[in-house]
Amino acid sequence: EAGVTQFPSHSVIEKGQTVTLRCDPISGHDNLYWYRRVMGKEIKFLLHFVKESKQDESGMPNNRFLAERTGGTYSTLKVQPAELEDSGVYFCASSQGLAALTDTQYFGPGTRLTVL
Amino acid sequence: DAKTTQPPSMDCAEGRAANLPCNHSTISGNEYVYWYRQIHSQGPQYIIHGLKNNETNEMASLIITEDRKSSTLILPHATLRDTAVYYCIATYTGANSKLTFGKGITLSVRP
Repeated sequence: EAGVTQFPSHSVIEKGQTVTLRCDPISGHDNLYWYRRVMGKEIKFLLHFVKESKQDESGMPNNRFLAERTGGTYSTLKVQPAELEDSGVYFCASSQGLAALTDTQYFGPGTRLTVL
Repeated sequence: DAKTTQPPSMDCAEGRAANLPCNHSTISGNEYVYWYRQIHSQGPQYIIHGLKNNETNEMASLIITEDRKSSTLILPHATLRDTAVYYCIATYTGANSKLTFGKGITLSVRP
């Protein structure tokens, strides 16, 4: 079974540009989460989808970040315009959802974003 | 989610058991204890989780005290590849199951 995949693995952009990160969850997983780690800080929650609906977006830093999950499959996280403080590693995780007795999250390898 | 406390670091010799402690004195009755690890800058890797009973899988064992205020992750035969940051997280599962990562404990396995 394929795990969570993320694309790209690395992205280097200039301040003010737009970047779109993609996450493909494990097949059949209803829950999809985005987290990020900025340098020197702890991994922080950004938002949570249940299928195509945003369940919790309390961790989104500001309105420059837009997450979508059309059709309830893969998700994209767009940063527009990117700022220097957006640099970090963005992780995606997925979990089975309410059908599971306990809902373990499985993480992807992350996208390392560098804003110059 | 309940706050967890872990020592910042520990080391152990290769081939020996690594016992990683975690305190979660404010854990509620339906919060699970999850352990993840992060090797270098890879994505967090799920290890094991439990509620009340001790658990074992192919990677590790989880010992939870009877009062559930603390737990220990045991890697029975540590290898160099087990060098990583290990996170103990107390969390509900279900609709609002976002994970709250702390600083974790850095385990260094020495040859």
